[in-house]
Amino acid sequence: ETGVTQSPTHLIKTRGQQVTLRCSSQSGHNTVSWYQQALGQGPQFIFQYYREEENGRGNFPPRFSGLQFPNYSSELNVNALELDDSALYLCASSLAGGSYEQYFGPGTRLTVT
Amino acid sequence: KNEVEQSPQNLTAQEGEFITINCSYSVGISALHWLQQHPGGGIVSLFMLSSGKKKHGRLIATINIQEKHSSLHITASHPRDSAVYICAVRGSQGNLIFGKGTKLSVKP
Repeated sequence: ETGVTQSPTHLIKTRGQQVTLRCSSQSGHNTVSWYQQALGQGPQFIFQYYREEENGRGNFPPRFSGLQFPNYSSELNVNALELDDSALYLCASSLAGGSYEQYFGPGTRLTVT
Repeated sequence: KNEVEQSPQNLTAQEGEFITINCSYSVGISALHWLQQHPGGGIVSLFMLSSGKKKHGRLIATINIQEKHSSLHITASHPRDSAVYICAVRGSQGNLIFGKGTKLSVKP
C-alpha cells in the first residue's frame, strides 16, 4: 500500500470540456509529479510540483495546469479537452531530491468523446 | 529514437522459466527504476538503482553505467508475475523518463 490516492477512478468527458483530477500524496512527501499514459505507451511527464510551486514541465501545452496545496495534495486541470487527451493519468509523490523513490497512485482513466 | 528503449516488447514464458528484460538508455542518469504495472494501471516500484545489482526475492536488477544498460531478471517465473514491466530513468528535472514497457505473460 503506497498511500497515494487519486480521484476519480474513471471519468468520461466531452471534447471542449474542462476536467480536474485529484491526487493525495503519501504522508510526508513534498513533491508530486503527474504523468499521462496513452494506451500501449509508457507514461509521459506532464509536470512536477515542489512545495506548491511548479518546478519542472514536460512537453505539454498550457491547457494542462496544476496546483499543489499546503497539505501536499494536488490537482491536474485540463482545459479544452481533445480526443487525444484520453489516457490514464498518474500522479506520483516523493521526497525532494533526485534519487528519491516515487510512489504512484492507481491512476484516473479519462475518456474524451 | 526514444531515450529509454526496452526489449522485448512482449514476452510469453512457461511457469518456472528464467526471464530477462533489457533496458537501454541514451541520457545521463542519477538513477534507474524498474516498475511493475498490472492491468487497471497501478504502478509499483520494484527497484531503484544507480550501480551494480539488487535482489529482492525472485527478482534481480543489474545496471552497467558505462554501457547504459540495465536488465531485470525473474527466476522461477510464476503466472502471478504476469504484468507490464517498465524501465525508467530520472531526467534532469527530477521526473522519470519511461520506456514503453515489456508485457510479460507467464503460462501455467
